[in-house]
Amino acid sequence: DQQVKQNSPSLSVQEGRISILNCDYTNSMFDYFLWYKKYPAEGPTFLISISSIKDKNEDGRFTVFLNKSAKHLSLHIVPSQPGDSAVYFCAASNVIQGGSEKLVFGKGMKLTVNP
Amino acid sequence: EPEVTQTPSHQVTQMGQEVILRCVPISNHLYFYWYRQILGQKVEFLVSFYNNEISEKSEIFDDQFSVERPDGSNFTLKIRSTKLEDSAMYFCASTPERTDTQYFGPGTRLTVL
Repeated sequence: DQQVKQNSPSLSVQEGRISILNCDYTNSMFDYFLWYKKYPAEGPTFLISISSIKDKNEDGRFTVFLNKSAKHLSLHIVPSQPGDSAVYFCAASNVIQGGSEKLVFGKGMKLTVNP
Repeated sequence: EPEVTQTPSHQVTQMGQEVILRCVPISNHLYFYWYRQILGQKVEFLVSFYNNEISEKSEIFDDQFSVERPDGSNFTLKIRSTKLEDSAMYFCASTPERTDTQYFGPGTRLTVL
């Protein structure tokens, strides 16, 4: 079941530069998308979300872009900091239009920010 | 800041034994979930729970699994007869509204020997 795909397993960037994490989905019914960050031995921590009525949502250093026609979303982190080093998960549901609230996750991508 | 808590952090059990994983959701939240992550695999949905009833369950959530909210604060996942393939991290999550963000606990690592 590959409804949510994070095709790159890892990304390494320099401190202060931009990190761009990508996510693709196949289920056109998805209408709510989230990014979670996870450190080892901890649970997923919510970062930012976007519903399908928007194409951009910003929160501090984090911006999520949604391209519905391409079924693609991306998370931009600017500027990247060493503390951002973690595994990032993209997740989706179709809860907004009354569908299921279960989250479907991607496999995750390990971000390393080098000082 | 309120958090979802889970106990124990690590549970080791023998195959065939019953285990109960415990979660305390955030206090004003009404919707509760269990997910699991087998090592090296995706986080997978198991079950959602609202108003003392299961709202939705996945194919994984068979008759060996059950959930309960025994009092006003705890939310439990019981596995009646554990199998080797039940070894995973189990995450509890909660949210105040269906359409709101799900907040996750730190997880319980279940090891079935």
